[in-house]
Amino acid sequence: EAQVTQNPRYLITVTGKKLTVTCSQNMNHEYMSWYRQDPGLGLRQIYYSMNVEVTDKGDVPEGYKVSRKEKRNFPLILESPSPNQTSLYFCASSYRDLGDTQYFGPGTRLTVL
Amino acid sequence: ILNVEQSPQSLHVQEGDSTNFTCSFPSSNFYALHWYRWETAKSPEALFVMTLNGDEKKKGRISATLNTKEGYSYLYIKGSQPEDSATYLCASSSGGYQKVTFGIGTKLQVIP
Repeated sequence: EAQVTQNPRYLITVTGKKLTVTCSQNMNHEYMSWYRQDPGLGLRQIYYSMNVEVTDKGDVPEGYKVSRKEKRNFPLILESPSPNQTSLYFCASSYRDLGDTQYFGPGTRLTVL
Repeated sequence: ILNVEQSPQSLHVQEGDSTNFTCSFPSSNFYALHWYRWETAKSPEALFVMTLNGDEKKKGRISATLNTKEGYSYLYIKGSQPEDSATYLCASSSGGYQKVTFGIGTKLQVIP
């Protein structure tokens, strides 16, 4: 089944404890992106990647890192999480770029205490 | 940051009514416009991607139009059903950087 998977789905952590949220797609998509969803603010783009080893900042990249070493994986890294990073995170992918349909993962709900 | 606006923010309609929502976006350097359907506790589901001025797309009872020159898109739902209840998001991307900006969405509730 063609899909985007994220792990973990739920995570409660403490301030400053490094964490990684994984994202993987099995559709051989080139474009991948991370978003966060906060009430009243809509989905906001954190980072995106056009292909392996090609990543760029979205609108809210502060406090996040990403890497794209393989085409299928696009992990989101929070080196020192803070409470303002408590949010619902979505990973998404599309075949080539934003001119193509974007498929979303199931989401990761992160709470930073 | 692109400013993508959606109206109305919420809408209640009776089952069987037809309805429409608006998405406005900056028209300069336009690349693509996306519509998504987002149900509570699920992830956004793509409805349409449109790239050309005058594009019209249709999926069942749902259709969308695009005007890139004036920077707006309409989403239409014909004969609304309770299962259409969801938040409908639009998102606009500009060429060159492949960044995307989402609107806050229109929350639709269809009353049986």
